[in-house]
Amino acid sequence: SQQGEEDPQALSIQEGENATMNCSYKTSINNLQWYRQNSGRGLVHLILIRSNEREKHSGRLRVTLDTSKKSSSLLITASRAADTASYFCATASSRAYNTDKLIFGTGTRLQVFP
Amino acid sequence: DGGITQSPKYLFRKEGQNVTLSCEQNLNHDAMYWYRQDPGQGLRLIYYSQIVNDFQKGDIAEGYSVSREKKESFPLTVTSAQKNPTAFYLCASMGSGTDTQYFGPGTRLTVL
Repeated sequence: SQQGEEDPQALSIQEGENATMNCSYKTSINNLQWYRQNSGRGLVHLILIRSNEREKHSGRLRVTLDTSKKSSSLLITASRAADTASYFCATASSRAYNTDKLIFGTGTRLQVFP
Repeated sequence: DGGITQSPKYLFRKEGQNVTLSCEQNLNHDAMYWYRQDPGQGLRLIYYSQIVNDFQKGDIAEGYSVSREKKESFPLTVTSAQKNPTAFYLCASMGSGTDTQYFGPGTRLTVL
């Protein structure tokens, strides 16, 4: 079963605005990652945050992680039309039996209008 | 899409036929994965392999089979037993000691 659930399912904004998407998960994790998928393409890794981290930045991306609430958020600042894509969170379980699988959420479809 | 290739990009199959999707990587990664993605949905894990000559079932393995005879290659066969095979199939790989997966461009399979 999918562990990550993202909110909102779809988001439309104007260029220059910020976009925030959220991810919730159910069990303990080693890390949480965000991926981007352009329509009809493979996924591209954006950023990884470990369970002992609370915030991480990469360029215009800011990720937060709240393990007490089992949730994460991805903020894209000063959005561009080229940011139009689907964004997925993925969690790596902390269960000892296997830490090499990722569980993907259902994704947020972001549309940025010029 | 990194150093992972998938072929073909589009594939059409008649009901009752088996079909094999190719996935090759030149990243020297030990682990490889196959996912299925349906329209507007997330990724579901079909099979994965952490080392040559070994693989494990994922969440939706029924109707699929894989092999891992070479480190670089992890082909997926969609058998006639798969009841609803039309979907977008993604292959990924991951290096040892890392947590990041690298994805291929995908194969869109349509059953006619």
